[in-house]
Amino acid sequence: NAGVMQNPRHLVRRRGQEARLRCSPMKGHSHVYWYRQLPEEGLKFMVYLQKENIIDESGMPKERFSAEFPKEGPSILRIQQVVRGDSAAYFCASAKDGTLNEKLFFGSGTQLSVL
Amino acid sequence: GQQVMQIPQYQHVQEGEDFTTYCNSSTTLSNIQWYKQRPGGHPVFLIQLVKSGEVKKQKRLTFQFGEAKKNSSLHITATQTTDVGTYFCAARYGNNRLAFGKGNQVVVIP
Repeated sequence: NAGVMQNPRHLVRRRGQEARLRCSPMKGHSHVYWYRQLPEEGLKFMVYLQKENIIDESGMPKERFSAEFPKEGPSILRIQQVVRGDSAAYFCASAKDGTLNEKLFFGSGTQLSVL
Repeated sequence: GQQVMQIPQYQHVQEGEDFTTYCNSSTTLSNIQWYKQRPGGHPVFLIQLVKSGEVKKQKRLTFQFGEAKKNSSLHITATQTTDVGTYFCAARYGNNRLAFGKGNQVVVIP
């Protein structure tokens, strides 16, 4: 009865390195959302994916950030050449069908720290 | 981008008192969802409102959706220390993405 699983919980990277954040949705869920949260700020939408398809990436920076949700395996949020400003908590959430009235189930988040 | 606005951003509430937090949109919403995030935790779904003027209750929590479906409120009575956290409202926009407000961070004073 696993919920949404995110790993790692904490990730430390030096400036210029790459960060890979993983999200395994709840069993039977085929829709994944990624959000970024800075201290005492709200949840900023980044990207919404269905398996093998990006539905909406309007919240994702055009450079250095990418996301995928392959047919098999977890969804990956990839940040290349990280900078200090990328330090934040990254949450993923999953939904079964992505319908209008569906609620989201969140993972525990990955705290990214860039040194 | 499109987003719901929440006020106030911060509240300090005496234990035992009531408080209300508000969520506003400039556009008509199909529905609105409320989530709660405890300090150090992740957001957890509380409720969804769909119909104009809808009111739903969960024990000490009362959720309301405005008649024009542009605003919503959450009212908590007899605040307890377990009510501490950040309350978010969220609404669907283009491509069915769920956009969150900035949240109302609630601190409970014993």
